[in-house]
Amino acid sequence: DAGVTQTPRHEVAEKGQTIILKCEPVSGHNDLFWYRQTKIQGLELLSYFRSKSLMEDGGAFKDRFKAEMLNSSFSTLKIQPTEPKDSAVYLCASSLWGGNDTEVFFGKGTRLTVV
Amino acid sequence: GEQVEQLPSILRVQEGSSASINCTYENSASNYFPWYKQEPGENPKLIIDIRSNMERKQTQGLIVLLDKKAKRFSLHITDTQPGDSAMYFCAASENSNNRIFFGDGTQLVVKP
Repeated sequence: DAGVTQTPRHEVAEKGQTIILKCEPVSGHNDLFWYRQTKIQGLELLSYFRSKSLMEDGGAFKDRFKAEMLNSSFSTLKIQPTEPKDSAVYLCASSLWGGNDTEVFFGKGTRLTVV
Repeated sequence: GEQVEQLPSILRVQEGSSASINCTYENSASNYFPWYKQEPGENPKLIIDIRSNMERKQTQGLIVLLDKKAKRFSLHITDTQPGDSAMYFCAASENSNNRIFFGDGTQLVVKP
């Protein structure tokens, strides 16, 4: 199954630590999204790449969150320094822009707990 | 861009009854409206979608309606079962430069 792969699935960090979440999009996809999912806020867009170029950088998340896409098959999301309020599920998703099939595929997410 | 509003945020229904989730959008150029279902501990998955050249689409107990004039679309689940309990997300996009935009989600709870 060549879906979106996210690692790790679970991460526990102490307040102030730096953590890096990883994502491998569906092969051939050129749109990649990072979302934060919480029960209160729903799906919040953190970053959006198209063909490896950063298209959107969620305003509220700019100071401690940094997503990168060094190649078309790998992206990272760095949170530095972590705070307890960052505890959430982080979802990576990808899709093919410009094709007939516009379905967005999500990874299983990384559940981050900051203590 | 686009903004998608989704209501309700929580929906509790009795098994066997129907459930409806409503979404509105702002960009009249949006022409693709997918719905995603996220079961506990799982990733959201596409369950049904509708394009702007249709007003209604139905598949396996799911009905989606699109009212382009009102910029409103909805998901209707007929004869709900406990297995329908999940988080549902609506979304909107247009086939140009814009990305897809998601609603905040609806937690559906089907009570036996």
